[in-house]
Amino acid sequence: DTGVSQDPRHKITKRGQNVTFRCDPISEHNRLYWYRQTLGQGPEFLTYFQNEAQLEKSRLLSDRFSAERPKGSFSTLEIQRTEQGDSAMYLCASSLARGGRSGNTIYFGEGSWLTVV
Amino acid sequence: AQSVTQPDIHITVSEGASLELRCNYSYGATPYLFWYVQSPGQGLQLLLKYFSGDTLVQGIKGFEAEFKRSQSSFNLRKPSVHWSDAAEYFCAVGAGGFKTIFGAGTRLFVKA
Repeated sequence: DTGVSQDPRHKITKRGQNVTFRCDPISEHNRLYWYRQTLGQGPEFLTYFQNEAQLEKSRLLSDRFSAERPKGSFSTLEIQRTEQGDSAMYLCASSLARGGRSGNTIYFGEGSWLTVV
Repeated sequence: AQSVTQPDIHITVSEGASLELRCNYSYGATPYLFWYVQSPGQGLQLLLKYFSGDTLVQGIKGFEAEFKRSQSSFNLRKPSVHWSDAAEYFCAVGAGGFKTIFGAGTRLFVKA
């Protein structure tokens, strides 16, 4: 399977603990995105990378959140000092950015569910 | 700023009946438009996309969508719904660059 893969799929953690999610994008894709989705809502943009550079961060991404893509391949999203409000599904997606009107189609992984108790 | 509205939170359709899910977007130029489907606990799967050209777009699983610039709409249709189509459907708009904005979704229920 050469799709976007995420690990772990589920994580239950106590409030105040740190958690880290990993994402492996589709191999030839140069852009990688993190989204957050809560129940009954659509995905909300958090941040994205073009190769190893983090080019945009949403205001949703507080100082407790940090994302990296050190070699332009896989990415990690770390949440420090988790709060109950962090409980959500964290979706990773990737795309191959081209110029012109070819657009920017993003392909999602299966998501990582976080429950903070 | 771009936005997406899906007016129907949920829709119930009988198996074999036709389906139309509504989507309205706000964006100043010609947008990129997408429909995704999500089964419970899963990620989002791309159904179809519109970038340019023919305004009637065919997708996977027998779905199609029509871009209507005058109405700022991109409604999703299927002529005959199957029980396996029950899921959450998301319309999304890409404004070029990097960001894709999603609607809140429409949950489809299929009754026998």
